[in-house]
Order: sequence, then C-alpha cells, then structure tokens
Amino acid sequence: GAGVSQTPSNKVTEKGKYVELRCDPISGHTALYWYRQSLGQGPEFLIYFQGTGAADDSGLPNDRFFAVRPEGSVSTLKIQRTERGDSAVYLCASSLMGRPGGDEQFFGPGTRLTVL
Amino acid sequence: EDKVVQSPLSLVVHEGDTVTLNCSYEVTNFRSLLWYKQEKKAPTFLFMLTSSGIEKKSGRLSSILDKKELFSILNITATQTGDSAVYLCAVRGGTSYGKLTFGQGTILTVHP
Repeated sequence: GAGVSQTPSNKVTEKGKYVELRCDPISGHTALYWYRQSLGQGPEFLIYFQGTGAADDSGLPNDRFFAVRPEGSVSTLKIQRTERGDSAVYLCASSLMGRPGGDEQFFGPGTRLTVL
Repeated sequence: EDKVVQSPLSLVVHEGDTVTLNCSYEVTNFRSLLWYKQEKKAPTFLFMLTSSGIEKKSGRLSSILDKKELFSILNITATQTGDSAVYLCAVRGGTSYGKLTFGQGTILTVHP
C-alpha cells in the first residue's frame, strides 16, 4: 500500500488478556518503530527495528510487552496480561533509515487499545 | 534523559492570523529535529531540521532551528481552518539512531 497500515483500528479487551497489534510498513522501508500515545501527550517511544532485529527496545515499559518483525517487513506488538494502564493509541511508523542524521518517520493511523 | 518542551500548549486564532509555535529541547548528541501535524490519528511529517539557521519552507509553513540556543520555531502564515491540529515537535539524539523523543504538542485552533 501507499502508507503505513495498522490493524485493528480499535481493540477492546479485558484486563489480563493477551493482545496482538499489527503494523504493515511502507514497502522498501527498512526501519520500523512503535510508539504509544496517551490522551493529551506526545507519542512515547517503545521499540524500533532495523530489518529483522530490534535495534533499540529501551522504551518497552516491562516484560509484558514484546515485538517481532520476523521477515523484516510486517511487525507485531504483543502485550501479555493487559492492564488498564496499557490503554492508549499504539502508533507504528517506518522510514528508509539511510541518512546519517536519520530519516523522517511516516506514521500509520494507530490502534486504539482499551483495556476494561 | 532527552527532553522536549513545546509552547504554548494551546492557541486559538482567527483565519488569516500568523502563528509561531515554539519547541525547546535537551538532548545529548543531537542529530535532528522533526515537526509533525496530527489531526485525527496519524502524525503527518512536516519538516526535518539538522542545521542551524537554515529555514525550511513549505507553502505557508516554515521552520528554523537554533542549535546554540536549543530551540526551533514553526511559523504558519495566513492561517486557515484546515490548519487546526496538534503540532508535535520531536528530536533524535543520544545513542539511539532511530528513537524520537516528542514534546506534548501544541493544540492550534483556527476559527473562521
């Protein structure tokens, strides 16, 4: 597709359940990023991939959060034992990741996660 | 820890006004500063700045970076109702090549 796509657009789950959020980056982009945005705040970095490997996972809040990108394209963010505090919009972005100063990141529409 | 502060937090203007949005930052090993516009969900890219004093311009929007004083401004001239959005500033630096640290955003409302 032309842009970054994310599914589902909305996810409602119960406390303690497991959820998976999917991101399909722009074709040809080697870098992929996950952010989390709470109401009234800017996006907060979680993890980014260069190819298949996680280049920086310093933003993952705890070991309930995990992300994979097995073939260097689509990525899945996995959250175990969800808590109400995990409720937020989860944004995915991708970039070419070629220039020394970094690249502009192009964002998807996000997945709104609500944990009841 | 990297830090980005935007001001004002919100701004209400009338069509035709000119606005200036501010972004100050603290980051080790600065690499770049980016501006985004967020209307509903996806932030859309506006500018990336890496060098001081060089203005980037796109239509009625322009932005400039001051690496000595550690800030950037985003100017919008002849505002239109379609400019109403949250404007986000982000910096890239430190040891992470890809991580962006965002400010809390400025909510701009343009009335007809």
